[in-house]
Amino acid sequence: GAGVSQSPSNKVTEKGKDVELRCDPISGHTALYWYRQSLGQGLEFLIYFQGNSAPDKSGLPSDRFSAERTGGSVSTLTIQRTQQEDSAVYLCASSQPGLAGNEQFFGPGTRLTVL
Amino acid sequence: AQSVAQPEDQVNVAEGNPLTVKCTYSVSGNPYLFWYVQYPNRGLQFLLKYITGDNLVKGSYGFEAEFNKSQTSFHLKKPSALVSDSALYFCAVRDMDTGRRALTFGSGTRLQVQP
Repeated sequence: GAGVSQSPSNKVTEKGKDVELRCDPISGHTALYWYRQSLGQGLEFLIYFQGNSAPDKSGLPSDRFSAERTGGSVSTLTIQRTQQEDSAVYLCASSQPGLAGNEQFFGPGTRLTVL
Repeated sequence: AQSVAQPEDQVNVAEGNPLTVKCTYSVSGNPYLFWYVQYPNRGLQFLLKYITGDNLVKGSYGFEAEFNKSQTSFHLKKPSALVSDSALYFCAVRDMDTGRRALTFGSGTRLQVQP
Protein backbone atom coordinates (compact mmCIF):
# COMPACT_ATOMS: atom_id res chain seq x y z
CA GLY A 1 0.00 0.00 0.00
CA ALA A 2 0.98 3.62 -0.41
CA GLY A 3 2.99 5.31 2.28
CA VAL A 4 2.85 8.89 3.48
CA SER A 5 3.26 11.31 0.59
CA GLN A 6 4.26 14.96 0.69
CA SER A 7 4.29 17.72 -1.88
CA PRO A 8 6.16 19.53 -3.16
CA SER A 9 9.41 17.67 -2.62
CA ASN A 10 11.33 20.92 -2.91
CA LYS A 11 10.20 24.52 -2.50
CA VAL A 12 12.30 27.61 -2.99
CA THR A 13 10.70 30.89 -1.99
CA GLU A 14 11.64 34.46 -1.28
CA LYS A 15 11.68 35.92 2.19
CA GLY A 16 8.28 37.33 3.09
CA LYS A 17 6.25 35.02 0.85
CA ASP A 18 3.71 32.50 2.13
CA VAL A 19 4.11 28.78 1.46
CA GLU A 20 1.83 25.76 1.75
CA LEU A 21 3.12 22.23 2.27
CA ARG A 22 0.87 19.23 1.78
CA CYS A 23 0.75 15.82 3.45
CA ASP A 24 -1.29 12.75 2.49
CA PRO A 25 -1.21 10.23 5.33
CA ILE A 26 -1.56 6.49 5.06
CA SER A 27 -5.18 5.53 4.54
CA GLY A 28 -6.84 4.68 7.84
CA HIS A 29 -4.30 6.50 9.99
CA THR A 30 -6.13 8.95 12.19
CA ALA A 31 -3.06 10.50 13.79
CA LEU A 32 -0.95 12.97 11.77
CA TYR A 33 2.19 14.80 12.84
CA TRP A 34 4.36 17.57 11.41
CA TYR A 35 8.03 17.82 12.31
CA ARG A 36 10.85 20.07 11.13
CA GLN A 37 14.42 18.94 10.52
CA SER A 38 16.96 21.73 10.25
CA LEU A 39 20.43 21.13 8.82
CA GLY A 40 22.48 19.12 11.28
CA GLN A 41 19.67 19.03 13.80
CA GLY A 42 17.29 16.42 15.09
CA LEU A 43 13.59 16.54 14.46
CA GLU A 44 11.51 19.23 16.08
CA PHE A 45 7.81 18.56 16.71
CA LEU A 46 5.44 21.16 15.28
CA ILE A 47 1.81 19.99 15.47
CA TYR A 48 -0.28 16.84 15.98
CA PHE A 49 -3.79 15.95 14.80
CA GLN A 50 -5.82 13.05 16.19
CA GLY A 51 -9.22 12.42 14.65
CA ASN A 52 -11.69 15.17 15.48
CA SER A 53 -9.88 16.27 18.63
CA ALA A 54 -8.35 19.72 18.95
CA PRO A 55 -4.81 19.63 17.54
CA ASP A 56 -1.74 19.83 19.76
CA LYS A 57 -0.09 23.01 18.51
CA SER A 58 2.48 23.23 21.27
CA GLY A 59 5.45 22.87 18.91
CA LEU A 60 4.63 25.64 16.46
CA PRO A 61 7.52 28.14 16.70
CA SER A 62 5.51 31.29 15.95
CA ASP A 63 2.07 32.49 14.88
CA ARG A 64 3.33 32.54 11.29
CA PHE A 65 2.93 28.77 11.31
CA SER A 66 -0.47 27.10 11.06
CA ALA A 67 -1.84 23.78 9.90
CA GLU A 68 -5.17 22.26 9.12
CA ARG A 69 -6.46 18.82 8.36
CA THR A 70 -9.46 18.52 6.12
CA GLY A 71 -11.84 15.58 6.35
CA GLY A 72 -9.56 13.77 8.73
CA SER A 73 -7.08 13.00 5.98
CA VAL A 74 -4.95 15.48 4.01
CA SER A 75 -3.11 18.14 5.98
CA THR A 76 -1.64 21.46 4.91
CA LEU A 77 1.10 23.29 6.81
CA THR A 78 1.16 27.01 6.04
CA ILE A 79 4.04 29.33 6.79
CA GLN A 80 3.26 33.01 6.38
CA ARG A 81 5.84 35.73 5.73
CA THR A 82 8.65 33.19 5.50
CA GLN A 83 12.01 33.96 7.06
CA GLN A 84 15.41 32.50 6.24
CA GLU A 85 15.43 30.57 9.53
CA ASP A 86 12.37 28.69 8.28
CA SER A 87 14.62 26.86 5.79
CA ALA A 88 14.47 23.18 6.73
CA VAL A 89 13.03 19.83 5.73
CA TYR A 90 9.42 19.54 6.85
CA LEU A 91 8.41 15.96 7.60
CA CYS A 92 4.92 14.59 7.97
CA ALA A 93 4.11 11.33 9.74
CA SER A 94 0.99 9.31 10.44
CA SER A 95 0.14 6.44 12.75
CA GLN A 96 -2.66 4.00 13.35
CA PRO A 97 -5.33 4.74 15.91
CA GLY A 98 -5.40 2.92 19.19
CA LEU A 99 -2.24 2.17 21.10
CA ALA A 100 -0.03 5.10 22.00
CA GLY A 101 2.97 2.92 21.27
CA ASN A 102 2.16 2.63 17.59
CA GLU A 103 5.09 3.74 15.48
CA GLN A 104 4.87 6.73 13.19
CA PHE A 105 5.40 6.36 9.45
CA PHE A 106 7.17 9.26 7.81
CA GLY A 107 6.87 10.82 4.39
CA PRO A 108 9.91 11.82 2.31
CA GLY A 109 9.68 15.45 3.40
CA THR A 110 9.51 18.84 1.74
CA ARG A 111 12.80 20.72 1.56
CA LEU A 112 12.03 24.43 2.02
CA THR A 113 14.62 27.02 1.09
CA VAL A 114 13.92 30.65 1.90
CA LEU A 115 16.16 33.05 0.00
CA ALA B 1 9.67 17.38 29.99
CA GLN B 2 11.15 14.57 27.95
CA SER B 3 14.53 14.51 26.22
CA VAL B 4 16.86 12.22 24.31
CA ALA B 5 20.65 12.34 24.12
CA GLN B 6 22.74 10.74 21.41
CA PRO B 7 26.25 11.50 22.63
CA GLU B 8 28.07 10.56 19.43
CA ASP B 9 27.69 12.66 16.30
CA GLN B 10 29.37 9.92 14.28
CA VAL B 11 30.27 6.27 14.75
CA ASN B 12 32.80 4.56 12.50
CA VAL B 13 33.01 0.79 12.27
CA ALA B 14 34.55 -1.71 9.88
CA GLU B 15 32.29 -4.01 7.90
CA GLY B 16 31.70 -7.26 9.73
CA ASN B 17 32.38 -5.78 13.16
CA PRO B 18 29.67 -5.25 15.77
CA LEU B 19 28.21 -1.77 16.06
CA THR B 20 26.60 0.19 18.89
CA VAL B 21 24.83 3.53 18.61
CA LYS B 22 24.15 5.05 22.01
CA CYS B 23 20.96 6.66 23.29
CA THR B 24 19.90 7.85 26.72
CA TYR B 25 16.55 9.36 27.59
CA SER B 26 14.74 11.33 30.24
CA VAL B 27 11.00 11.15 30.93
CA SER B 28 8.93 11.75 34.03
CA GLY B 29 6.93 8.55 33.55
CA ASN B 30 7.53 5.31 31.69
CA PRO B 31 8.98 5.50 28.18
CA TYR B 32 8.06 4.31 24.76
CA LEU B 33 11.36 4.19 22.85
CA PHE B 34 11.99 4.09 19.11
CA TRP B 35 14.85 3.92 16.64
CA TYR B 36 14.56 5.34 13.14
CA VAL B 37 17.05 5.36 10.26
CA GLN B 38 17.37 8.02 7.57
CA TYR B 39 19.13 7.28 4.31
CA PRO B 40 20.29 10.21 2.11
CA ASN B 41 17.38 12.17 0.61
CA ARG B 42 14.89 9.76 2.14
CA GLY B 43 12.36 10.02 4.94
CA LEU B 44 12.76 8.30 8.27
CA GLN B 45 12.23 4.56 8.37
CA PHE B 46 11.11 2.77 11.53
CA LEU B 47 13.61 0.19 12.84
CA LEU B 48 12.30 -0.99 16.19
CA LYS B 49 10.52 0.03 19.37
CA TYR B 50 10.30 -0.79 23.06
CA ILE B 51 6.85 -0.62 24.61
CA THR B 52 6.88 -3.16 27.39
CA GLY B 53 8.07 -6.69 28.05
CA ASP B 54 11.47 -8.06 27.09
CA ASN B 55 14.28 -5.57 27.43
CA LEU B 56 15.95 -6.83 24.26
CA VAL B 57 14.01 -5.75 21.21
CA LYS B 58 14.70 -7.07 17.73
CA GLY B 59 13.90 -5.04 14.63
CA SER B 60 14.47 -4.65 10.93
CA TYR B 61 17.71 -5.40 9.04
CA GLY B 62 19.20 -7.38 11.93
CA PHE B 63 19.22 -4.48 14.37
CA GLU B 64 18.36 -4.85 18.03
CA ALA B 65 18.24 -2.58 21.05
CA GLU B 66 18.40 -3.13 24.77
CA PHE B 67 16.23 -1.17 27.16
CA ASN B 68 18.01 -0.48 30.46
CA LYS B 69 15.73 1.27 32.92
CA SER B 70 18.35 1.85 35.62
CA GLN B 71 20.70 3.52 33.14
CA THR B 72 17.85 5.14 31.16
CA SER B 73 19.46 3.87 27.98
CA PHE B 74 18.27 2.29 24.74
CA HIS B 75 21.40 1.56 22.73
CA LEU B 76 21.07 0.27 19.17
CA LYS B 77 23.22 -2.72 18.23
CA LYS B 78 24.00 -5.04 15.37
CA PRO B 79 26.34 -8.06 15.57
CA SER B 80 27.89 -7.59 12.13
CA ALA B 81 27.80 -4.24 10.31
CA LEU B 82 27.24 -3.88 6.57
CA VAL B 83 28.38 -1.01 4.35
CA SER B 84 24.71 -0.53 3.47
CA ASP B 85 23.99 0.26 7.14
CA SER B 86 25.73 3.61 6.68
CA ALA B 87 23.05 6.21 7.43
CA LEU B 88 21.76 8.66 10.03
CA TYR B 89 20.14 7.06 13.08
CA PHE B 90 17.67 8.73 15.40
CA CYS B 91 16.51 7.64 18.83
CA ALA B 92 13.12 8.93 20.01
CA VAL B 93 11.03 8.78 23.17
CA ARG B 94 7.46 9.33 24.21
CA ASP B 95 6.30 9.42 27.83
CA MET B 96 3.52 6.82 28.07
CA ASP B 97 2.10 8.44 31.19
CA THR B 98 1.23 11.74 29.54
CA GLY B 99 -1.28 12.46 26.83
CA ARG B 100 1.38 13.89 24.54
CA ARG B 101 1.70 11.68 21.46
CA ALA B 102 4.51 13.53 19.68
CA LEU B 103 7.96 11.98 19.72
CA THR B 104 11.02 13.74 21.09
CA PHE B 105 14.04 12.93 18.95
CA GLY B 106 17.75 12.93 19.62
CA SER B 107 20.06 14.93 17.39
CA GLY B 108 21.04 11.86 15.40
CA THR B 109 24.17 9.75 15.00
CA ARG B 110 25.79 9.22 11.62
CA LEU B 111 26.97 5.65 11.20
CA GLN B 112 29.79 5.09 8.73
CA VAL B 113 30.65 1.47 7.92
CA GLN B 114 33.93 1.09 6.09
CA PRO B 115 34.56 -1.79 3.66
